[in-house]
Amino acid sequence: GAVVSQHPSWVICKSGTSVKIECRSLDFQATTMFWYRQFPKQSLMLMATSNEGSKATYEQGVEKDKFLINHASLTLSTLTVTSAHPEDSSFYICSARASGGPSTDTQYFGPGTRLTVL
Amino acid sequence: QKEVEQNSGPLSVPEGAIASLNCTYSDRGSQSFFWYRQYSGKSPELIMSIYSNGDKEDGRFTAQLNKASQYVSLLIRDSQPSDSATYLCAVNMVSPSGGSYIPTFGRGTSLIVHP
Repeated sequence: GAVVSQHPSWVICKSGTSVKIECRSLDFQATTMFWYRQFPKQSLMLMATSNEGSKATYEQGVEKDKFLINHASLTLSTLTVTSAHPEDSSFYICSARASGGPSTDTQYFGPGTRLTVL
Repeated sequence: QKEVEQNSGPLSVPEGAIASLNCTYSDRGSQSFFWYRQYSGKSPELIMSIYSNGDKEDGRFTAQLNKASQYVSLLIRDSQPSDSATYLCAVNMVSPSGGSYIPTFGRGTSLIVHP
């Protein structure tokens, strides 16, 4: 149980285009999903917290208009990188936290999406 | 500033030895603690969660929590080369708004198990 998927697993795009990444909890309902970014050999950086049905909460220094997050259902959250530039190239990872039950505060990670902007 | 501190390592141990990974946290009110393993180029995977003071064992892994000292550790017995990875300590801390718990990660400790 507690499986989280991400799509696509990798994407290459041209500078200036927008890229959408999907995060799905496959076997549980997630009231909260988190989006992280990780540059090579660096630690996870929390970008935003996404709660179903409400606006995402962004961490300091993360541009809301550039990284659009939508959490429309208890099993799906999307991150759209708008007008991507080479400096946005990174490993984007989502995680989901279950609602209800004894493990409600455990977050499970998706496999990540590697974004390369040319 | 709420923080989770880990020694970045690398921690190098011989195969078969016990690897000891340590983590300290700043928020005394934290109640939930997690250890994740992350292989290079992959996303983190959950190893263990711990909520109460004391030890929690799962196979070769033992998590230890001491809330008074604000300290959590992970012991890996009979270390194998396949255990070589970065180990992340995570602590759920109250968000600035006070309305929820946000996971705060340490920078991770790199473990190398050599044959």
